[in-house]
Amino acid sequence: DVVMTQTPLSLPVSLGDQASISCRSSQSLVHSNGNTYLHWYLQKPGQSPKLLIYKVSNRFSGVPDRFSGSGSGTDFTLKINRVEAEDLGVYFCSQSTHVPPWTFGGGTKLEIK
Amino acid sequence: QVQLKESGPGLVAPSQSLSITCTVSGFSLTNYGVSWVRQPPGKGLEWLGVIWGDGSTNYHSALISRLNISKDNSKSQVFLKLNSLQTDDTATYYCAKEDYGKGGFAYWGQGTLVTVSA
Repeated sequence: DVVMTQTPLSLPVSLGDQASISCRSSQSLVHSNGNTYLHWYLQKPGQSPKLLIYKVSNRFSGVPDRFSGSGSGTDFTLKINRVEAEDLGVYFCSQSTHVPPWTFGGGTKLEIK
Repeated sequence: QVQLKESGPGLVAPSQSLSITCTVSGFSLTNYGVSWVRQPPGKGLEWLGVIWGDGSTNYHSALISRLNISKDNSKSQVFLKLNSLQTDDTATYYCAKEDYGKGGFAYWGQGTLVTVSA
């Protein structure tokens, strides 16, 4: 199974700051079809996870352009520019290249400093 | 639009079985797969299994002996059954659907919290 490792576990930020979350996979996430199926989710308190970024760098419908994803192979980053209060919650990375099983990172809690 | 909604028992005694129903709308179960994902309180996400449009299934290797996923296409319902529950099965259970064109679980139910306790 592909192990997804996120850092940091907790990320205290001030509103308006930039935030950066790292995700590393135990093996390359490049699929034989050339796509890289690395995705990012945000889970706000008491809610289901919501898809933010799919295939490394593509924003899902309705996601503000303050969110950006980058990376390749085994190392990926989610950046949030100008953090707003509505961005607070737990961020998860996930892979769907080597499935089953689909696997998730342990999560990064974005909170107010 | 695509919607999924779980319904479960809330409380299950240890060693008993758990049954949860996911009712979907906005798409046909004959054409798309639905996965189950769970989340223990305060912890991360764990994929459990998937049932595909043709009715075939894949399960997490750690649960393969206890887990069964089935569906009723005519009722737009997917069923999870997990046997021999223990306290560490306490979690919120979600059903979810991938966006095949994009990748990732684009659609999630609201989740149902299942507590395993005597």
